[in-house]
Amino acid sequence: EVQLVESGGGLVKPGGSLRLSCAASGFSFGSYSFNWVRQAPGKGLEWVSSISGSSYYIYYADSVRGRFTISRDNAQNALFLQMNNLRAEDTAVYYCARDDRRYWGPGTLVTVSS
Amino acid sequence: DIQMTQSPSTLSASVGDRVTITCRASQTITGWLAWYQQKPGKAPKVLIYEGSFLEAGVPSRFSGSGSGTEFTLTISSLQPDDFATYYCQHYNAYLWTFGQGTKVEIK
Repeated sequence: EVQLVESGGGLVKPGGSLRLSCAASGFSFGSYSFNWVRQAPGKGLEWVSSISGSSYYIYYADSVRGRFTISRDNAQNALFLQMNNLRAEDTAVYYCARDDRRYWGPGTLVTVSS
Repeated sequence: DIQMTQSPSTLSASVGDRVTITCRASQTITGWLAWYQQKPGKAPKVLIYEGSFLEAGVPSRFSGSGSGTEFTLTISSLQPDDFATYYCQHYNAYLWTFGQGTKVEIK
């Protein structure tokens, strides 16, 4: 069974950092690209970042470029999102999603507040 | 950057109604479009990919059509389980762009 499970969310002060993880199982992790998508409370979906299977291709939304870093460890079947210099507007549920769009994790909530 | 615009933002309908949601792209996207259903507190679920192909396990009352810059999601006979928020999404290599969402409410 394909599973994606995010972790690492929580409450952080503005300017702080968090590292999200997405643990994958049930498929050949390295064969797929992945995306991070976020959803602010009561708002729509916003694509954040993507990474290819080999990590050669990496892309970011303008809203996070320079502050967030996506990475992966194919040996550990894990996807990461390092989030630095967090702002109140980064408050959201963060989902990891496989590039075929079929599989998403349940999400992890990040709250940026003083 | 490509922008995706959905209409309407909210739709009130009754069980059994035929419902249509429209998604317009700011430029031609050659069919790389998906539709999702999202319920409160849950991750989105893909319904349609490449504009008109039904994802496995999705009821046949859902259909997608369109090309170029205008796409539609149709629910032929709305069921109680269909009250949710729907998003269109353009996907292109490593870039995803979502519409702002359409909430389907009970009339």
